[in-house]
Amino acid sequence: DGGITQSPKYLFRKEGQNVTLSCEQNLNHDAMYWYRQDPGQGLRLIYYSQIVNDFQKGDIAEGYSVSREKKESFPLTVTSAQKNPTAFYLCASSPYVSQDGYTFGSGTRLTVV
Amino acid sequence: GNSVTQMEGPVTLSEEAFLTINCTYTATGYPSLFWYVQYPGEGLQLLLKATKADDKGSNKGFEATYRKETTSFHLEKGSVQVSDSAVYFCALSLVGNEKLTFGTGTRLTIIP
Repeated sequence: DGGITQSPKYLFRKEGQNVTLSCEQNLNHDAMYWYRQDPGQGLRLIYYSQIVNDFQKGDIAEGYSVSREKKESFPLTVTSAQKNPTAFYLCASSPYVSQDGYTFGSGTRLTVV
Repeated sequence: GNSVTQMEGPVTLSEEAFLTINCTYTATGYPSLFWYVQYPGEGLQLLLKATKADDKGSNKGFEATYRKETTSFHLEKGSVQVSDSAVYFCALSLVGNEKLTFGTGTRLTIIP
């Protein structure tokens, strides 16, 4: 079955360390997205990519970085510059031209200890 | 710009009650409209969608009708169950721009 896989489901990081969250999709989707969700809050867009080797900042890109070397993969690095990284991170993908919306992964919960 | 405004939560209902979660939108052009559901600790799942005016999306007993005249896409269910407890997000997208615009989400709790 096609889908989008995020790993790990839970991640603990010490302050001052960078950490990379994985997102892989086998849906042949062109576009991929990273969102952050804080408890009781909505979704905030961090970065998105519509084609390989290209990506754009979303609303809260500071302290994060991404790469898009392969169509299937869109890893997110949470750097030590991110002041408050503890959150639930969601990855999503969509076809470039579609009225079907997004397919979401199951999320990664990052906790800074 | 484009925006989605959702009913403030949280919403608490008894089992078998009638549910309405309001959603209105502002868009330049003719959007597609979506409802997503998020169960605790999980990602979002597409619940239903509508791509043009007067379309009705439906799934799992939930319905929403695309009302262009009132720029609304309210979510309804005739008889809710405890298993419907989740956060519901309304969203829109415009043809040619796949970035979705989400509402802030409405937390729904159903009491037995």
